[in-house]
Amino acid sequence: SSELTQDPAVSVALGQTVRITCQGDSLRSYYASWYQQKPGQAPVLVIYGKNNRPSGIPDRFSGSSSGNTASLTITGAQAEDEADYYCNSRDSSGNPPNYVFGTGTKVTVL
Amino acid sequence: QVQLVQSGAEVKKPGASVKVSCKASGYTFTGYYMHWVRQAPGQGLEWMGWINPNSGGTNYAQKFQGRVTMTRDTSISTAYMELSRLRSDDTAVYYCARDRGYSSSWYPPGYFDYWGQGTLVTVSS
Repeated sequence: SSELTQDPAVSVALGQTVRITCQGDSLRSYYASWYQQKPGQAPVLVIYGKNNRPSGIPDRFSGSSSGNTASLTITGAQAEDEADYYCNSRDSSGNPPNYVFGTGTKVTVL
Repeated sequence: QVQLVQSGAEVKKPGASVKVSCKASGYTFTGYYMHWVRQAPGQGLEWMGWINPNSGGTNYAQKFQGRVTMTRDTSISTAYMELSRLRSDDTAVYYCARDRGYSSSWYPPGYFDYWGQGTLVTVSS
């Protein structure tokens, strides 16, 4: 099965921009989705597909993809964006499809 | 508004089984795929499988094949996940998560737009 690799932790100054990356072979074929998880809470979908935000997600969140890497960018990070972020993608092998989560990135807003 | 409400915390002994429920409201239950995801303490998210609430069709992660069973009761808009032969490393929070994909699609796209609150399952002797 596929694996999705993320940097364990990144930090960003308040109001600055941070990009979180997710690498894996399956990303050459399928878009990633991105989830924000705060301590003790369920994950929240923030980006899906090419670059789609669910209703209620601020437009400072955006997604992109190139080759085997998907990225989530937070432009103008706010204190409330401090959280763990996970990517997810359809596995490139197998039918019916399986899904795999990335290893997760802890974002600290300084 | 869409809501997924899961059953309460469970404590089980090794070798036992656990069945977690996920009651959906605010949308047509049979219209969307449902996934199950778990998270061990301090660890990341792990996809377990999906069920098509309309057809009852399922697909499980290879890791859980033979131990997990996902079912649904459309009359009460509830999905279930049963995990058998529990081990200590099955201790985790278990989530149900709705897929944005319609159940009429061949397969779900894997975009989990609504999540239950989570159910802590503790496996301990």
